Amino acid sequence: NAGVTQTPKFQVLKTGQSMTLQCAQDMNHNSMYWYRQDPGMGLRLIYYSASEGTTDKGEVPNGYNVSRLNKREFSLRLESAAPSQTSVYFCASTLPDSSYEQYFGPGTRLTVT
Amino acid sequence: DQQVKQNSPSLSVQEGRISILNCDYTNSMFDYFLWYKKYPAEGPTFLISISSIKDKNEDGRFTVFLNKSAKHLSLHIVPSQPGDSAVYFCAASASLGFQKLVFGTGTRLLVSP
Repeated sequence: NAGVTQTPKFQVLKTGQSMTLQCAQDMNHNSMYWYRQDPGMGLRLIYYSASEGTTDKGEVPNGYNVSRLNKREFSLRLESAAPSQTSVYFCASTLPDSSYEQYFGPGTRLTVT
Repeated sequence: DQQVKQNSPSLSVQEGRISILNCDYTNSMFDYFLWYKKYPAEGPTFLISISSIKDKNEDGRFTVFLNKSAKHLSLHIVPSQPGDSAVYFCAASASLGFQKLVFGTGTRLLVSP
């Protein structure tokens, strides 16, 4: 039982390049989330998926797209990376009906030059 | 507009003493509160939570206190141990609607031997 896994762990992009951050959970959770963490800003919600087949914007969705591929997987795509998207990205999952507690992956550290 | 605030970026405590981490919130719709702990290069992990129907919740060395009238909660760690050194995030959620978490900016706790 790996919990929440994220790939890659580290990535360096040039401005304008695109990439997809992958997230998968093996806990049979319904809801999944993408956050970014920046110094002095805490964790801010980018997008979330309440259940398979649905996605919604969070607090800071601009510049990102998401896909809930199936119940296990939730990917985050940067179509045209900008230096302002340099951050640490965390994926999380939870059972929405029973707990507010979210389980987090180890994070992806992204640098955009 | 920061709805959840942790005004102390850092706190230093000696081993064996009490650590008190504080959190303030502005949204009166919040009715569930959580504390997460984060070590470097890892994702946040759930520590303890409290519902607004309670004013205290204990779990071993960790106690969370909630003062609804002041919109303030605190996390007490007694006794503090060097392994408690981490960044602590306060988070809040409103049970009305989908259960999204709003995070504070975090407090870095250093427990010295």
